[in-house]
Amino acid sequence: AQKITQTQPGMFVQEKEAVTLDCTYDTSDPSYGLFWYKQPSSGEMIFLIYQGSYDQQNATEGRYSLNFQKARKSANLVISASQLGDSAMYFCAMRENSWGKLQFGAGTQVVVTP
Amino acid sequence: NAGVTQTPKFQVLKTGQSMTLQCAQDMNHEYMSWYRQDPGMGLRLIHYSVGAGITDQGEVPNGYNVSRSTTEDFPLRLLSAAPSQTSVYFCASSYSTELNTEAFFGQGTRLTVV
Repeated sequence: AQKITQTQPGMFVQEKEAVTLDCTYDTSDPSYGLFWYKQPSSGEMIFLIYQGSYDQQNATEGRYSLNFQKARKSANLVISASQLGDSAMYFCAMRENSWGKLQFGAGTQVVVTP
Repeated sequence: NAGVTQTPKFQVLKTGQSMTLQCAQDMNHEYMSWYRQDPGMGLRLIHYSVGAGITDQGEVPNGYNVSRSTTEDFPLRLLSAAPSQTSVYFCASSYSTELNTEAFFGQGTRLTVV
């Protein structure tokens, strides 16, 4: 069964606007971590932000913030003030336990237009 | 600091050939893993290792072997290449298996099996 679901295959956003990338997850483990990675066209995977299941506050890292709704099992990434360099594939991932395995969603392709 | 290094970056194989994708990290990370990335499917875990001498299967292990004789190296072997193994392969490492531990990725190996 798919553990991580990203329902938006692709999105266009205008420069300087905010964009929200959806991510829902499925787990029965009370302890888990959620990650977002960025993959530009060059192919490398870049870590953006982390949210723990027990974290009281939503995570923020610069222009990236995570809208964490635990009861809904969603962890949406918000990118504020989009820049052309934000054009990339974005992956949501989850680690359910201390064995370290990361499970990824299918990704969302974001294109930022001038 | 080199981080996670994968070689080769590109490879073309004929069906039935075998080869080894190399992965090395210089961060003294205990946890290493191999993923394959296919369009629309995100990254799927092939094999992982929680330390030298310890390996285990991930989501899609068939057709691949791994070994972990040292902390630094985690090679992935394709036993008899098939066109279905055409993919981009990523090696990743992290310093622990704790939930909030970021995974560091190599640059990827693009493999084509003809």
